[in-house]
Amino acid sequence: NAGVTQTPKFRVLKTGQSMTLLCAQDMNHEYMYWYRQDPGMGLRLIHYSVGEGTTAKGEVPDGYNVSRLKKQNFLLGLESAAPSQTSVYFCASSLQVLQETQYFGPGTRLLVL
Amino acid sequence: KNEVEQSPQNLTAQEGEFITINCSYSVGISALHWLQQHPGGGIVSLFMLSSGKKKHGRLIATINIQEKHSSLHITASHPRDSAVYICAVSYTGNQFYFGTGTSLTVIP
Repeated sequence: NAGVTQTPKFRVLKTGQSMTLLCAQDMNHEYMYWYRQDPGMGLRLIHYSVGEGTTAKGEVPDGYNVSRLKKQNFLLGLESAAPSQTSVYFCASSLQVLQETQYFGPGTRLLVL
Repeated sequence: KNEVEQSPQNLTAQEGEFITINCSYSVGISALHWLQQHPGGGIVSLFMLSSGKKKHGRLIATINIQEKHSSLHITASHPRDSAVYICAVSYTGNQFYFGTGTSLTVIP
């Protein structure tokens, strides 16, 4: 079992460029989440999904879009990157409801110039 | 906004010391989680609590629902315990709120 994997590990973008972050899990989990982590602010939920084909907004969704076309994959898209989106992005998954233990990916470090 | 506050922000201990990290939250919760973030960045879930106390090895987590407070204890601390410890709470609805973490350094 690989658990939760994220691609890429590190990326540098110029302002206005677009990119997609891929999260994959092999644990057959229903719930998947995207977080960002910024210094001094803790993790914040961007978007989440409660199952294949469903997505919902979290605390800080602006500037991001997500898709869950397959149960094992959760994609996070930045259509027009801004320097404020420089952050470390973590994906996580859990078996069912939010009260279950979450399993985190290794993170993606994104720098927007 | 639902706030999660942790204390202390930074903690340095000598190997073998008993360590306590605190977490307070402002409104009723569905569950509280303790996470560990390694120096390399990886995040691991340590405990999930909705009441009482849980123990795993040298780690003990407690929660007091009435006082809206949880503590994470580490007995016989070791340098490999050096990490950032994060408290997170979940409320009704699919939302998670995280504290800013406590950075622990254990000196040999």
